[in-house]
Amino acid sequence: GQQVMQIPQYQHVQEGEDFTTYCNSSTTLSNIQWYKQRPGGHPVFLIQLVKSGEVKKQKRLTFQFGEAKKNSSLHITATQTTDVGTYFCAGPNFGNEKLTFGTGTRLTIIP
Amino acid sequence: DAGITQSPRYKITETGRQVTLMCHQTWSHSYMFWYRQDLGHGLRLIYYSAAADITDKGEVSDGYVVSRSKTENFPLTLESATRSQTSVYFCASGLLTDTQYFGPGTRLTVL
Repeated sequence: GQQVMQIPQYQHVQEGEDFTTYCNSSTTLSNIQWYKQRPGGHPVFLIQLVKSGEVKKQKRLTFQFGEAKKNSSLHITATQTTDVGTYFCAGPNFGNEKLTFGTGTRLTIIP
Repeated sequence: DAGITQSPRYKITETGRQVTLMCHQTWSHSYMFWYRQDLGHGLRLIYYSAAADITDKGEVSDGYVVSRSKTENFPLTLESATRSQTSVYFCASGLLTDTQYFGPGTRLTVL
């Protein structure tokens, strides 16, 4: 079945440093989505990428979809304490009915 | 505007008991989903529903039952709870499967 892996599993950064998480799918995806889950909270949708090579920005967050549509990345510039949480990527399986979530990257900020 | 709600938020039960987790959404979304989240496993799909009276299994459906008689409700029942079903359960909904909106979660402990 489809597998979606993320690296790293954990990341500790000093406040102000940059952060990147990578997402890799075993199959080609029609789209990739990113979610953020704050500690003790629920996943919240951030963005969806659809086109090969697509890049989208949300303030300090930059999302990229790979040319082969099998990988994606999320980059945060100059991290802040509000960025703390676990970031998940997710991709639909064949038929687009279900999402397979990545394993997540847990970001911790050191003040 | 309640969005998507789950009840109870916390539940402690004993092995062998039947437990029902409730999920209610006010958006009239077609799709609804149940996930469980455990350390080291990310989000795993239990069941999903494309519309009222249409349900299908996810990757970890054994021991769980769902129903969807009304579009807005999607209860999840553990027929005979086991300790391995101790987890955080998230319900989600969406118009299509490309964006999912999660409820606050139910933390279930099976003793």
